[in-house]
Amino acid sequence: DAGVIQSPRHEVTEMGQEVTLRCKPISGHNSLFWYRQTMMRGLELLIYFNNNVPIDDSGMPEDRFSAKMPNASFSTLKIQPSEPRDSAVYFCASSFRPGGETQYFGPGTRLLVL
Amino acid sequence: GESVGLHLPTLSVQEGDNSIINCAYSNSASDYFIWYKQESGKGPQFIIDIRSNMDKRQGQRVTVLLNKTVKHLSLQIAATQPGDSAVYFCAESSSGSARQLTFGSGTQLTVLP
Repeated sequence: DAGVIQSPRHEVTEMGQEVTLRCKPISGHNSLFWYRQTMMRGLELLIYFNNNVPIDDSGMPEDRFSAKMPNASFSTLKIQPSEPRDSAVYFCASSFRPGGETQYFGPGTRLLVL
Repeated sequence: GESVGLHLPTLSVQEGDNSIINCAYSNSASDYFIWYKQESGKGPQFIIDIRSNMDKRQGQRVTVLLNKTVKHLSLQIAATQPGDSAVYFCAESSSGSARQLTFGSGTQLTVLP
């Protein structure tokens, strides 16, 4: 298995632009998680899906952030408009179920908003 | 609120020595614990996990110890190698948290030649 796949690996954009991050979970996993990692805050859970349905989005910073999971093999995290404070590494992880079981992380997308 | 924290932000060990990374948690309802290793520029990688009905679990060169009485978790790495240099995170979950993982702040392990 290729593991969790994320794209792009690096993204540099200007403030105000729309950013779309993509994730393909491990085949057969039915839970998907989006995290943000910064030096100041560490790893923060933004949102997670179970069977393609958003379960908890309380970690999403504000309305500029949105996430979708149209099918079991694809999810997007969108930031519109982007701001410099959104600069971070964004990780996607998946697991067989959300029940505290092992989450497998992707390589992350390094986002820099100028 | 409930949180997971680490005692030591940095740890340096000589190659070949054993490493011990500690983690304290505050949620007494936590019943699942996991250690991740994150190398520079990569995502967290699963190392080992343990459930609250156990106090010790061993993997290849790694051992996790759980002391529920003092809410303490540790990761022991035997014969530390340069490739072990990374940030190590502990995480915990409970049924009360809808099984979401709560991550600690991480410990930077540096292996000295």
